[in-house]
Amino acid sequence: EVQLVESGGGLVQPGGSLRLSCAASGFTFSSYWMSWVRQAPGKGLEWVANIKQDGSEKYYVDSVKGRFTISRDNAKNSLYLQMNSLRAEDTAVYYCARGRDYYRHWGQGTLVTVSS
Amino acid sequence: DIQMTQSPSSLSASVGDRVTITCQASQDISNYLNWYQQKPGKAPKLLIYDASNLETGVPSRFSGSGSGTDFTFTISSLQPEDIATYYCQQYDNLPRTFGPGTKVDIK
Repeated sequence: EVQLVESGGGLVQPGGSLRLSCAASGFTFSSYWMSWVRQAPGKGLEWVANIKQDGSEKYYVDSVKGRFTISRDNAKNSLYLQMNSLRAEDTAVYYCARGRDYYRHWGQGTLVTVSS
Repeated sequence: DIQMTQSPSSLSASVGDRVTITCQASQDISNYLNWYQQKPGKAPKLLIYDASNLETGVPSRFSGSGSGTDFTFTISSLQPEDIATYYCQQYDNLPRTFGPGTKVDIK
């Protein structure tokens, strides 16, 4: 069974940093693109970033470029999102999802709240 | 960026009704369009991929059609468990973009 479990969310002050993790199991992690998608409270879905199987290609939505970094460790079956210079508008539930074009499997999400 | 619009933004229908949601892309995206269902407090669930392909295990009352810029998502006979918000998503270009969602509830 495919499982994606996010962790690392929490309350952080504006300008602060946070690192999200996503632990994958039940499939060959190194064979798939992986993505982060977020959802602000009461709002719709927003794609944040994705990363190729070997980490050689990474893409970001403009609003997080230069502040967020997606990475992966295939030996640990883990996906990461390093978030720096956080802003109030980054407050959201962050989901990791398997895939590049469509997302067949999602984690349960981790809430990031940026507030003073 | 490719903008996705959906209509209506919300709808109420009776059990057994046929429900139709439309999604429009700001430019031609061929059939690179997916549909998701999201229930409150839960992660989205993929229902339709490549505009018209039903995901494995998804009931056949769900269907999708369209290509280019105009797409349609249909529930042929609304069931109580279909209460949710439905999103379209394009993958023709980066950034991937979602429609704003259509909230479906029971009348």
